[in-house]
Amino acid sequence: DQQVKQNSPSLSVQEGRISILNCDYTNSMFDYFLWYKKYPAEGPTFLISISSIKDKNEDGRFTVFLNKSAKHLSLHIVPSQPGDSAVYFCAASAIGGATNKLIFGTGTLLAVQP
Amino acid sequence: DGGITQSPKYLFRKEGQNVTLSCEQNLNHDAMYWYRQDPGQGLRLIYYSQIVNDFQKGDIAEGYSVSREKKESFPLTVTSAQKNPTAFYLCASSIDFRGPDSYNEQFFGPGTRLTVL
Repeated sequence: DQQVKQNSPSLSVQEGRISILNCDYTNSMFDYFLWYKKYPAEGPTFLISISSIKDKNEDGRFTVFLNKSAKHLSLHIVPSQPGDSAVYFCAASAIGGATNKLIFGTGTLLAVQP
Repeated sequence: DGGITQSPKYLFRKEGQNVTLSCEQNLNHDAMYWYRQDPGQGLRLIYYSQIVNDFQKGDIAEGYSVSREKKESFPLTVTSAQKNPTAFYLCASSIDFRGPDSYNEQFFGPGTRLTVL
C-alpha cells in the first residue's frame, strides 16, 4: 500500500519555465513533508520541507505548497535550469513518534531542456 | 568535513554468499538508516537505529541484518536469505529527535550498488 504517491514518473520542461512536481498521500497522520533531489548513482540531497501547519514554504527558486484537505503537495521550481534535471522524491513523516522515519514516494524524473 | 561514507561504491556477490555494506558518519547523529532503491520504486526502509546497541526493522527487513556497536557505524549485511538482493543501497543519518512542528532531515551517503551474479 503506497502511502506516498508520485503519479508522474517523468516530466520534461523547457529551461526558464516553471516545473511543477506533484505528490499525494493517504495517511492523515503525516505532518511533515520533505522533497529530496537525487542524481544517478548518488545519494539524495535534501531540498525543501513543509510542516502541516503551513500551506507554503519558499526557498529561492523552490516553493512547496501543501493542501491538507486534498492530501496533496507540490514542488514548484521557477525558473527551471538544466542543472535541476534529476529525480525528485517526496517524503513524509508521521506525528506520534520520536523517530525520524520517512515514507518516500516513487520519484519523478525531471528533465530540463536547454 | 562532516558527512556519511559508504563503501564500496560497487559490489559484486555470488549467489548464496553473505556480504556486508559499510556506513560511517562523523556528523554526531544519533539515528541511522538503511534503504534500498530499485528501478521505478522509491526508497524503502530496511532497518533503522535510534541509538547505539538498538535497532528496529523497517518495511523490508527480511534477509538483512545490522549492528550498531558504535555511534558512527551502522553496517548492513545482506544474507543469502534475501531473495532479490541486486539493488542500490543507501545509508542515512539524522538527529533523532523531532518536535511537533519540526523535522530533522536525513542526510544520505553516496550509496552502494550491489549486483548478485
